[in-house]
Amino acid sequence: SQTIHQWPATLVQPVGSPLSLECTVEGTSNPNLYWYRQAAGRGLQLLFYSVGIGQISSEVPQNLSASRPQDRQFILSSKKLLLSDSGFYLCAWRASSGDTGELFFGEGSRLTVL
Amino acid sequence: GQNIDQPTEMTATEGAIVQINCTYQTSGFNGLFWYQQHAGEAPTFLSYNVLDGLEEKGRFSSFLSRSKGYSYLLLKELQMKDSASYLCAVMDSNYQLIWGAGTKLIIKP
Repeated sequence: SQTIHQWPATLVQPVGSPLSLECTVEGTSNPNLYWYRQAAGRGLQLLFYSVGIGQISSEVPQNLSASRPQDRQFILSSKKLLLSDSGFYLCAWRASSGDTGELFFGEGSRLTVL
Repeated sequence: GQNIDQPTEMTATEGAIVQINCTYQTSGFNGLFWYQQHAGEAPTFLSYNVLDGLEEKGRFSSFLSRSKGYSYLLLKELQMKDSASYLCAVMDSNYQLIWGAGTKLIIKP
């Protein structure tokens, strides 16, 4: 069966510090991978998605970046965090493009920037 | 633009029935999803509708009318554990999901 893990679960970072959130998927090949952010009381905001190694599409211009160094690994990074980067970050995967299957989410990472 | 609307919050009584509505305007349509999200946790899949009509799955049912851009999630025999946010999402013509802000459902004894 397929599983998805992301870490760390919780982190508190000062403004201007770097960020690295990591996500891995097991039990499937060539998944579509996604990074979402959820602010309190708001819907899920798609940040990045990837349909293959090294292929990253950015939905929202910001100081975050994403990388996919391996087929089942997706990393969200920032060089300098802003207060507005605080939120609940979710990694998700879905079967390949064109599939209308459901999204499966990781456990989430709660980021607080002080 | 693309838009998903659902009520911000609803309250219901344990054992009762509640209907959570979702209306949408999107560029194309490849299905509508409902997810449940408990506080501080990741969303989990509840249902998927791509054709008009009612899909029943245990205590939960989901309805879709594509001509009206409308869906609802029906929860029967409410239990305290059903207290959560319920997210409506539509897959557009590019197979990307457009998400509503979610409906927070409060269950009272």
